Amino acid sequence: KAGVTQTPRYLIKTRGQQVTLSCSPISGHRSVSWYQQTPGQGLQFLFEYFSETQRNKGNFPGRFSGRQFSNSRSEMNVSTLELGDSALYLCASSLRGAGTYEQYFGPGTRLTVT
Amino acid sequence: SQQGEEDPQALSIQEGENATMNCSYKTSINNLQWYRQNSGRGLVHLILIRSNEREKHSGRLRVTLDTSKKSSSLLITASRAADTASYFCATASYSGGGADGLTFGKGTHLIIQP
Repeated sequence: KAGVTQTPRYLIKTRGQQVTLSCSPISGHRSVSWYQQTPGQGLQFLFEYFSETQRNKGNFPGRFSGRQFSNSRSEMNVSTLELGDSALYLCASSLRGAGTYEQYFGPGTRLTVT
Repeated sequence: SQQGEEDPQALSIQEGENATMNCSYKTSINNLQWYRQNSGRGLVHLILIRSNEREKHSGRLRVTLDTSKKSSSLLITASRAADTASYFCATASYSGGGADGLTFGKGTHLIIQP
């Protein structure tokens, strides 16, 4: 089976812009979760989608949003980018749910905001 | 917010030695998972232990869970240079709506000296 893929792998944006990241889960996985990883805060849970519905949400401002399509592919969007949004954004897919089954992570998208 | 806290933050040992990492958490959990990350890349799932289990093995890995002390340990036996990586524990809890997303600790950076 192909693994979790994320596009793009690297991105440089300017403050105030918006960005959309994409994640394709492992075939058959219905749960997709997003995480932000920074040196200071570590790995933080953003949200989880399951069958096109947001099931859980972490403690992030409304500028961070996401969606999931009927083929389980997911996108996350960050609007009005801030310097502090520079991070590695990781997507993970799971068979049923992030908290119940092991998650399979993609390689991440490294976002730099200047 | 981080629920799991790994200890030590960094560990350097000689190849062939055993490495032990500990994780403490704060709230009741459904399961605890260990992940490995090489150099800012995606995470790789190592092992999942459920709250009603006390010990689990996978190859050179041994994980224990003590729910009364809210702690877990990961033992890597006969370490190899390829084990050099950051290791994270992640906890999954249940709220009224079902399983929540994973909460990661800040990780233990393990260096295996040849």
